[in-house]
Amino acid sequence: EVQVVESGGGLVKPGGSLRLSCAASGFTLRSYSMNWVRQAPGKGLEWVSSISSSGTYIYYADSVKARFTISRDDTKNSLYLQMNSLRVEDTAVYFCARDERGDGFDVWGQGTIVTVSS
Amino acid sequence: DIQMTQSPSSVSASVGDRVTITCRASQDIASWLAWYQQKPGKAPKLLIFASSSLESGVPSRFSGRGSATHFTLTINDLQPEDFATYYCQQAHSFPVTFGGGTKVEIK
Repeated sequence: EVQVVESGGGLVKPGGSLRLSCAASGFTLRSYSMNWVRQAPGKGLEWVSSISSSGTYIYYADSVKARFTISRDDTKNSLYLQMNSLRVEDTAVYFCARDERGDGFDVWGQGTIVTVSS
Repeated sequence: DIQMTQSPSSVSASVGDRVTITCRASQDIASWLAWYQQKPGKAPKLLIFASSSLESGVPSRFSGRGSATHFTLTINDLQPEDFATYYCQQAHSFPVTFGGGTKVEIK
């Protein structure tokens, strides 16, 4: 079965760091572009970051640029999001999502909750 | 950045109704548009890609159309399981952007 499972969320103080993981199964991560998308409580979807299948192209939303880093470990078939200098407004459910054709995210995880609060 | 504007923000409908949701892009995105369905506490589910292509396993009562800056998602013969929030997303260029969402509620 094709699936992705996120982990690593939790409660962190403003200014703190957290590393999210996304473990893929049923497909080879390096064959696809992968993304992080977040959803603040009661709000809509916000794209956070993308990494191309080759790993050559990486993109970030302005809201997280210079604070978040997306990466991938092909030996573990896993995607990561290193989040530094966290802010209260980063509080959200973070989803990992696969982009099969470049025109839509076809596989999503269940999400991991990140809460930034003092 | 490309802004995606959805309307309406919510709609009340009954089982069996037809519902149409509109999504407008702030610039020409050709057919680089996807539609998602999200239920409370769940991950979004891809319904439509490339403006009008139905994702595998999605019922045929869902259909999408449009190009450039104007797109629509239509749900024919609304079923109980269709009550959810729907989002459009442009895949034309980074940053990827989503519409604000349309909540389809039971009348």
